Amino acid sequence: QSALTQPASVSGSPGQSITISCTGTSSDVGSYNLVSWYQQHPGKAPKLMIYEVSKRPSGISNRFSGSKSGNTASLTISGLQAEDEADYYCCSYAGSSIPYVFGTGTKVTVL
Amino acid sequence: EVQLVESGGGMVQPGRSLRLSCAASGFTFDDYAMHWVRQPPGKGLEWVSSISWNSDRIGYADSVKGRFTISRDNAKNSLYLQMISLRVEDMALYYCAKDITVAGNYDAFDIWGQGIMVTVSS
Repeated sequence: QSALTQPASVSGSPGQSITISCTGTSSDVGSYNLVSWYQQHPGKAPKLMIYEVSKRPSGISNRFSGSKSGNTASLTISGLQAEDEADYYCCSYAGSSIPYVFGTGTKVTVL
Repeated sequence: EVQLVESGGGMVQPGRSLRLSCAASGFTFDDYAMHWVRQPPGKGLEWVSSISWNSDRIGYADSVKGRFTISRDNAKNSLYLQMISLRVEDMALYYCAKDITVAGNYDAFDIWGQGIMVTVSS
């Protein structure tokens, strides 16, 4: 199972919106509405931001939104803030044999 | 407070074994699937293994299949990862994580431990 493809880096100014893509295949992202997104600050454990493509866990700001089209999922951060600067990883369910595959990760920089 | 605490990490030589544990508290452990995810130093996240709430479904990444065994003891609110024939490429910070869905299919990882380091070096 190959890792999902994400851009290595995305940047934006405070207040702007950015979108991170996550490209998989018809065996993972394209087949299941079980894409999740994780935020990881340096030296910290990952934090769930989006699950089941577009759902937000309790306590997650509505500035974070998710979507999917075909084999590509996306995470959009609107109203970019300094604390959004972190690494972001997508993850998709990929079937019963090898259930999960992570993305390559994207470093978000707030200019 | 919902909490996961990993233990059992350390430094081992290639070819040796190690057993990781994850102690859960603050939630009904036997209602949820559990997972292990690892992160090599300076690199991205890699899913390692998952186990359903009743242990009837287990999955492994190809990179660890045949060498790692996931298990759980619901009476002790604990998750385990037995690792044998360790390789240099297994060196990573290992996280245990709780699934977000009650007694259902695998979904997302909503609670993570702080991670435990496994170093494989001669």
